[in-house]
This record gives sequence, structure tokens and C-alpha cells, in this order.
Amino acid sequence: RKEVEQDPGPFNVPEGATVAFNCTYSNSASQSFFWYRQDCRKEPKLLMSVYSSGNEDGRFTAQLNRASQYISLLIRDSKLSDSATYLCVVNARGADGLTFGKGTHLIIQP
Amino acid sequence: DAGVIQSPRHEVTEMGQEVTLRCKPISGHDYLFWYRQTMMRGLELLIYFNNNVPIDDSGMPEDRFSAKMPNASFSTLKIQPSEPRDSAVYFCATSAGRNYGYTFGSGTRLTVV
Repeated sequence: RKEVEQDPGPFNVPEGATVAFNCTYSNSASQSFFWYRQDCRKEPKLLMSVYSSGNEDGRFTAQLNRASQYISLLIRDSKLSDSATYLCVVNARGADGLTFGKGTHLIIQP
Repeated sequence: DAGVIQSPRHEVTEMGQEVTLRCKPISGHDYLFWYRQTMMRGLELLIYFNNNVPIDDSGMPEDRFSAKMPNASFSTLKIQPSEPRDSAVYFCATSAGRNYGYTFGSGTRLTVV
């Protein structure tokens, strides 16, 4: 099983819709979880951390399920500017270095 | 805050040449990471430093790759000799600690021909 696994997509979603995607991780000892966003030919940028109790930042909601070892990202009222690749990030080795999934490509259509 | 600064932004070199990538971290960030990104393999951690000391270099592909951090404000990643399969985007990222996210530099797009 890969350390961090994501559905690569692409997810084609109409503007204004709600979209959700999951990510699974293999190391049950993982402690830190994040979602990053990467635009084409740009560097990844931190979108939000993921906390055990779940957390929300505007239209974005992140959830962690330790029992099933997955995290999720929900985007409500999607905007054209949300089109990007979303990277699931875990400290899969239980150490300082973060392991990145290969990303889920999201396309918001007008 | 200027963020993480990488140079050069683009590098095209011939196979067999030495390539040096540079990174200036955010002041006060104790962790510095070098990642490589390709379409096939995604983002791969090559090596990381804590307080200028290399902690984990298990991701360095082979002896042709080396990295140094002589002080808190500068790090280099060197490839000698370079090969076409080294073509990728190399990112430097820094962090204030393990529970914090990373801030990435803009990356160096390396092409070895």
C-alpha cells in the first residue's frame, strides 16, 4: 500500500457545486495532516491543516478519520479559481518529513 | 518577508555537467527540505535539515546528489554529473516545526539534455 494515496481525477465540477475528495494513508502513527493546493507550474501552497475534530475555513472543510486512516476535503460553492491540484500531505513516517500524495486534479467548469 | 528564495528558476544543462541549486530559507525556520517533482513520481523528499544538520538523506537517489547547509540562511543541492533522468522541478521548502506546514520556494526547473 502506498504511503499516501489519492484519486488523481480529474474531477470536472460545475461552478457552484460541492465537491469532496478523500486521501488514504498507510502509517497509523502519522500525527500531522495537511491539504496543499498546487496551480499549474507553481509551487504547492498550504491550504489548511487537518485536525482530529475536523476544521473549516470558509468554503473548505477538512476531516480526519483515524480509524479508517483517511482524510477528506470538502469544497462548497465551488469557484472557477478553485481549479487546481489538491495534494494530501501526511507525516507518514512519523518523523519531520512530510509525504505528499500525487494530487487530485480539480476542474471547475463555468 | 520574502519567503523561500530559490535560484536559478530555470536551468538547462548538458549531460555530465555539474548543477548547483540554491535556497534561502525564511528567517527563523529551523527545518529545510529539498523535494523533487516529476509527473510520474509526484513530490519526493530528497533530504532535510534541522538547525543546519542533515537529518534524513534516505531520499537522495544516488551518490551523484549531495546537499549542504553551511548556515541558517543558505542551502545547496548539487548534482554531479547530471543525467537526463534528473530533469524535474526541484523545490526547497522550510518550516518552523513538525506540526507546521511548509512554505515552498518557486522551484528550479531543471532540464538535462
